Amino acid sequence: EEQLLESGGGLARPGGSLRLSCAASGFSLDRYAMSWVRQAPGKGLEWVSAISGSGTRSYYADSVKGRFTISRDNVNNTVHLQMDSLRIEDTATYYCAKDHPIYDYVGGITSWFDPWGQGTLVTVSS
Amino acid sequence: IQMTQSPSSLSASVGDTVTITCRASQSISTYLNWYQQKPGKAPNLLIYVASNLQSGVPPRFRGSGSGTDFTLTITSLQPEDFATYYCQQSYGVPRTFGRGTKVEIK
Repeated sequence: EEQLLESGGGLARPGGSLRLSCAASGFSLDRYAMSWVRQAPGKGLEWVSAISGSGTRSYYADSVKGRFTISRDNVNNTVHLQMDSLRIEDTATYYCAKDHPIYDYVGGITSWFDPWGQGTLVTVSS
Repeated sequence: IQMTQSPSSLSASVGDTVTITCRASQSISTYLNWYQQKPGKAPNLLIYVASNLQSGVPPRFRGSGSGTDFTLTITSLQPEDFATYYCQQSYGVPRTFGRGTKVEIK
């Protein structure tokens, strides 16, 4: 069974940093693009970032570009999201998800998010 | 690509048929997915590429549409179907979601 498990959430001050991790099991991470999706309390879903299977290409929402960095460790089957210059509006539950069935966003091949992790809560507050 | 979902909420009874619509701001072919989310849980894939039922999802869920207009239909609504539903386009980057439709018990 394919599973994802996020960790690293918690409380951060505005301007601070946090690093989220997503550990995959049941499939080889290096075959797929991976994404982070967040959900502010009581709000809808917002795609944040994605990374290609090789890790050579990454993609970001305008709301986090220049502040967040996605990376992956295919040896340890883990994806990370380094969040710097955090803002109060970054407060959300962060989910990682597999971009099935694609390796990269280039090429125009469609994809869907499955599976999802259980999420990790990030709270940015002074 | 903006995704407009309607209604934002609806009330229905067990056994009812409900329809949720999703409109894209440009043509996205059939690159449209649907997710169900229950309170405190991660979203769960229901339908991919507009009309393909994810493994394990009951056939009372049906997706249709292409271009800019899509629908999710739930026939014979069951108690476990009361949740929030999101559409999501996978035609362009950034990937974008609709704002969600909350299906509540009447």
